[in-house]
Amino acid sequence: GAVVSQHPSWVICKSGTSVKIECRSLDFQATTMFWYRQFPKQSLMLMATSNEGSKATYEQGVEKDKFLINHASLTLSTLTVTSAHPEDSSFYICSARDRRAGPYEQYFGPGTRLTVT
Amino acid sequence: AQTVTQSQPEMSVQEAETVTLSCTYDTSESDYYLFWYKQPPSRQMILVIRQEAYKQQNATENRFSVNFQKAAKSFSLKISDSQLGDAAMYFCAYRSGSQGNLIFGKGTKLSVKP
Repeated sequence: GAVVSQHPSWVICKSGTSVKIECRSLDFQATTMFWYRQFPKQSLMLMATSNEGSKATYEQGVEKDKFLINHASLTLSTLTVTSAHPEDSSFYICSARDRRAGPYEQYFGPGTRLTVT
Repeated sequence: AQTVTQSQPEMSVQEAETVTLSCTYDTSESDYYLFWYKQPPSRQMILVIRQEAYKQQNATENRFSVNFQKAAKSFSLKISDSQLGDAAMYFCAYRSGSQGNLIFGKGTKLSVKP
């Protein structure tokens, strides 16, 4: 099956610094990638959708200047949390879809735990 | 806007028994897909089963089956012969055929008792 990787799996950073999370589709070309945020014991909330070579579309309430998303290639998307604060601590999950694989195939990465101290 | 509701925050089942997780959704669209995802403690999202709205036949994947009631907008998941490894959070999700974003319910935590 298709594999999506995320790096790092866990990151701790100090308040005010920026951190970048990478999401890669290992064996397919991801025409669309999604970034989700999940708080403990809660559901996944979509932050943004990005198509390769285009600007990301952010969900309402998500600060685009704080959560920078870049989908520069068909296998890589990055999420940069700028000037991180403790309230940004969360579990971030990326997901990738290859439209050529069918209308419903969406693969999830293992997630990244961000802790801001 | 579409919504997905899981009314059971927690469920428990005895090993080898059968359990049904409930999910209802609200939509005015005719072209959509429904999913059940499993999230074990590792937090890796795993697709359990999918259902295309245009298909009348309920989807089945080994021990997992759904009861898709389109008119009632209900999409329940039945797990037969429950195993310890089935213990996880289960999320029901909706996807519009045209938009493509997954909308998740709040999840049901399933415990399996040995």
